[in-house]
Amino acid sequence: GAVVSQHPSRVICKSGTSVKIECRSLDFQATTMFWYRQFPKQSLMLMATSNEGSKATYEQGVEKDKFLINHASLTLSTLTVTSAHPEDSSFYICSARDRRSGGFGETQYFGPGTRLLVL
Amino acid sequence: QKEVEQDPGPLSVPEGAIVSLNCTYSNSAFQYFMWYRQYSRKGPELLMYTYSSGNKEDGRFTAQVDKSSKYISLFIRDSQPSDSATYLCAMNAGNNRKLIWGLGTSLAVNP
Repeated sequence: GAVVSQHPSRVICKSGTSVKIECRSLDFQATTMFWYRQFPKQSLMLMATSNEGSKATYEQGVEKDKFLINHASLTLSTLTVTSAHPEDSSFYICSARDRRSGGFGETQYFGPGTRLLVL
Repeated sequence: QKEVEQDPGPLSVPEGAIVSLNCTYSNSAFQYFMWYRQYSRKGPELLMYTYSSGNKEDGRFTAQVDKSSKYISLFIRDSQPSDSATYLCAMNAGNNRKLIWGLGTSLAVNP
């Protein structure tokens, strides 16, 4: 159980284009999903918290107009990198929190990540 | 001072060794503690989850939390080359607050 999928796994695009990344919880409902960015040999950097049916909460320093997040259902959240530039190249990972109550309510289950390369 | 401190390593051990991975933290409100394993170019995988102080065992893995010292540990017994990965600790104070992450410790288990 607690499987999170992410698509695409890898994308290469030209500078100035927009890229959409999908995150799905396959076998549970996720009221909250998270989007992280990770640079090589570094830890996870939280970009935003996404709650189903409401606007995402962005971390300080993350441009909300640059990184558009939509959490349309209990199993799907999308991250769109708008007008991508080479400095946006990174590993983007989503995670989802199982809505069921109980001791595991604070844990997050991660997708496999999306590697974005902007040329 | 960071809220969560974790030695990035790298840590290299022979196969079969007992591995000890640790994190310290400064926020006494933290109650939920997790260990994740991340293989290269993959998303993190939840290994262990502990609430408050105490020990938890799952197969070759044991998680310990000492809230009085603000110190958590992950022990891996009979380590295998397949355990080679980065291990990240994460924690929060509950109430759906965001997780605070350690830097991750890179572990290599040599055959």
